[in-house]
Amino acid sequence: SQQGEEDPQALSIQEGENATMNCSYKTSINNLQWYRQNSGRGLVHLILIRSNEREKHSGRLRVTLDTSKKSSSLLITASRAADTASYFCATEGGSGGSNYKLTFGKGTLLTVNP
Amino acid sequence: ETGVTQTPRHLVMGMTNKKSLKCEQHLGHNAMYWYKQSAKKPLELMFVYNFKEQTENNSVPSRFSPECPNSSHLFLHLHTLQPEDSALYLCASSIWEGQPQHFGDGTRLSIL
Repeated sequence: SQQGEEDPQALSIQEGENATMNCSYKTSINNLQWYRQNSGRGLVHLILIRSNEREKHSGRLRVTLDTSKKSSSLLITASRAADTASYFCATEGGSGGSNYKLTFGKGTLLTVNP
Repeated sequence: ETGVTQTPRHLVMGMTNKKSLKCEQHLGHNAMYWYKQSAKKPLELMFVYNFKEQTENNSVPSRFSPECPNSSHLFLHLHTLQPEDSALYLCASSIWEGQPQHFGDGTRLSIL
């Protein structure tokens, strides 16, 4: 069953602007991960935030996690055309079955226009 | 270059054919995964291998048969597939289960 759900489904911005994507999930988690997928390629891991963390940074990426609201956000600052890709959140653990199983959302398609 | 190599990149097969997908990683990882990615659906986990032992079979039909001869190689054997099996099949690996995963670029499978 789907755990993470991204919002919006698609986002189009101009180069230099910030992009914010949101992820909501239903059950308790061990951690939440964000991945990027360029067209025709595999997924690339961006950042992992644990359930006891509230915010994490990596370069131009900022991820927040609110376990009380069961939501996370990914902020990409000063976007570039090369950031054009689909972005997925994935939750690990907490929903029964394999505790290490990653459950992905449908993704947000980000288009950064030059 | 992700460190995870999948072959072939594209495969077209009839419903009665038998083929195999191959995945190879030399990252020293101990867990390997097969995922199915269909249009407008979330990525679906199919199988997980941890130290060559299968730890997850996500109710996958028996026409998909995984094989993990060692920690570096993973195969997905296909036989008597259906048109709805057309999708991008992604392999991933991680140092062990629960850690960030490294993905290959996938095999685009089309069933005629």
